[in-house]
Amino acid sequence: LAKTTQPISMDSYEGQEVNITCSHNNIATNDYITWYQQFPSQGPRFIIQGYKTKVTNEVASLFIPADRKSSTLSLPRVSLSDTAVYYCLVEVGGSQGNLIFGKGTKLSVKP
Amino acid sequence: SQTIHQWPATLVQPVGSPLSLECTVEGTSNPNLYWYRQAAGRGLQLLFYSVGIGQISSEVPQNLSASRPQDRQFILSSKKLLLSDSGFYLCAWSRGGPSSYEQYFGPGTRLTVT
Repeated sequence: LAKTTQPISMDSYEGQEVNITCSHNNIATNDYITWYQQFPSQGPRFIIQGYKTKVTNEVASLFIPADRKSSTLSLPRVSLSDTAVYYCLVEVGGSQGNLIFGKGTKLSVKP
Repeated sequence: SQTIHQWPATLVQPVGSPLSLECTVEGTSNPNLYWYRQAAGRGLQLLFYSVGIGQISSEVPQNLSASRPQDRQFILSSKKLLLSDSGFYLCAWSRGGPSSYEQYFGPGTRLTVT
């Protein structure tokens, strides 16, 4: 399974755009890139998933370069409520959905 | 709509005592089911997953076991708890089948072994 590497923590201010980059050098052809958000004492919540290029939904964008060895989660205009841990995962296509969660990136948004 | 339930929400147990955590899913059929553990300040560790009744895959060898007696019921058990079993236990489900689907997590159980 592909291992991911992401920063342990990041700080930002309200209203700024936040970009969290994740590296996954040994990603396989069938693998998807998925991001989850977790608040304290809650289970993770799915944010976005992509395979290549760019994916956008109502909460975030995911940028994946052509070589797919990294990806960037972009959160536009963050607010205090976006303070959470963000996990980057590589999900094996065709698998039963078992995911490998790392330690994630702890994002702290300040006023 | 689908919902996932876990109980109890919190649990304090002495070392050596048994454990039984239950998870149920409503509103879907034949889901994949998962048990994760999160130690304080750490990421999630996948413990078990199941693709069907009676089918359990273990990711990490330990003194825990899992069972799936019904399609939408997943149980995590231990005969004798260790201090290291303390943590936040999360149950999750995803749509079944060999495709890449997002996982939906329950509210979790905070277990403290004393």
